[in-house]
Amino acid sequence: NAGVTQTPKFQVLKTGQSMTLQCAQDMNHNSMYWYRQDPGMGLRLIYYSASEGTTDKGEVPNGYNVSRLNKREFSLRLESAAPSQTSVYFCASSRGQGNDYGYTFGSGTRLTVV
Amino acid sequence: QQQVKQSPQSLIVQKGGISIINCAYENTAFDYFPWYQQFPGKGPALLIAIRPDVSEKKEGRFTISFNKSAKQFSLHIMDSQPGDSATYFCAAFTSYGKLTFGQGTILTVHP
Repeated sequence: NAGVTQTPKFQVLKTGQSMTLQCAQDMNHNSMYWYRQDPGMGLRLIYYSASEGTTDKGEVPNGYNVSRLNKREFSLRLESAAPSQTSVYFCASSRGQGNDYGYTFGSGTRLTVV
Repeated sequence: QQQVKQSPQSLIVQKGGISIINCAYENTAFDYFPWYQQFPGKGPALLIAIRPDVSEKKEGRFTISFNKSAKQFSLHIMDSQPGDSATYFCAAFTSYGKLTFGQGTILTVHP
């Protein structure tokens, strides 16, 4: 089925290690987003890409970097993982920015930093 | 600072009962209010949404009530079923921007 695919689904890192979370969508959407979900905090926006070639910070960008590799792919990198980055990470995409365009979410990556 | 505040954090309802989840917001630039439903191990999925020029929207057993003057909106699930057990998020959108979520409500419907 068409949608948003995230890899990996689970990951355990040691403090200080780096890793990249991958996200790809096949709906020809222009905008892509990375959120983290923590208990009692809802989903908080880390970074987003309004269109290919652009990226911007969201609410909680510290400790993360992103790359919009092409229209389909948007990756999230943790350069030096910290226990505070233990979370479930969701990638989402939308046809455009603004409220006329619904978001489609991936199934998430559960990351544990020990 | 949480721009959309959601309550309760968890809710237990008997099958056939009414589930009510409330949200409040401060930013008057918000102009679109969706609700998302999330099952364990899955990403959130759009359930129902409302614009502030409408006071109520109903889709099947799901109804959004909106009070623009109070800056509050709520989700009502009528005749709640065990299959409705999930985490529900309210959210808010500005026309230029991105989605801001509430804290989430874990709904459990007992058979």
